[in-house]
Amino acid sequence: DGGITQSPKYLFRKEGQNVTLSCEQNLNHDAMYWYRQDPGQGLRLIYYSQIVNDFQKGDIAEGYSVSREKKESFPLTVTSAQKNPTAFYLCASSTHLGKETQYFGPGTRLLVL
Amino acid sequence: DQQVKQNSPSLSVQEGRISILNCDYTNSMFDYFLWYKKYPAEGPTFLISISSIKDKNEDGRFTVFLNKSAKHLSLHIVPSQPGDSAVYFCAASSSGNTGKLIFGQGTTLQVKP
Repeated sequence: DGGITQSPKYLFRKEGQNVTLSCEQNLNHDAMYWYRQDPGQGLRLIYYSQIVNDFQKGDIAEGYSVSREKKESFPLTVTSAQKNPTAFYLCASSTHLGKETQYFGPGTRLLVL
Repeated sequence: DQQVKQNSPSLSVQEGRISILNCDYTNSMFDYFLWYKKYPAEGPTFLISISSIKDKNEDGRFTVFLNKSAKHLSLHIVPSQPGDSAVYFCAASSSGNTGKLIFGQGTTLQVKP
């Protein structure tokens, strides 16, 4: 049963704390992406990765970091430098980078205490 | 600069009737368009896509129309069902943009029984 999993479903962050959101896929996709959704807005691209050990900044990368050590995994760290982290975070993957359909995970809701 | 716009935040239709969701774009380099459906607190689900070499693509109850000269696309759902009630996002990408999807703000569709 292939798909994309994200954990946790809800995450709470304290001031000055870094938190890491997990994204795993077993679709054998090369490309993976992180998006952020705010209320009443579309999805905005944070980071994307074309292949293992490679990743690029998206439109709103400030305050975030990623790694791509394995094909299946693309974790996102929300650092203390991200001043407005409360949002719904979505991970996606596609076969390759380019004109490809992206498939999304269930999302993680991040809240600040 | 909003390159992909969904100007109607919400739409309400009666069950069995047609739902028409609209999307406008400004970037003439976009050559691949997608529609996603999203329920609250879940990830978007891919519905249907269209390449710029076509002006229509149909999949069951869903049809997407593309008018390149007007930089406009629409999603038709016929017949509409209560289970179609969700937020619908259109997205666009260009071959020269490394597959980055640009999303509209979304339209909330309510199908009344």
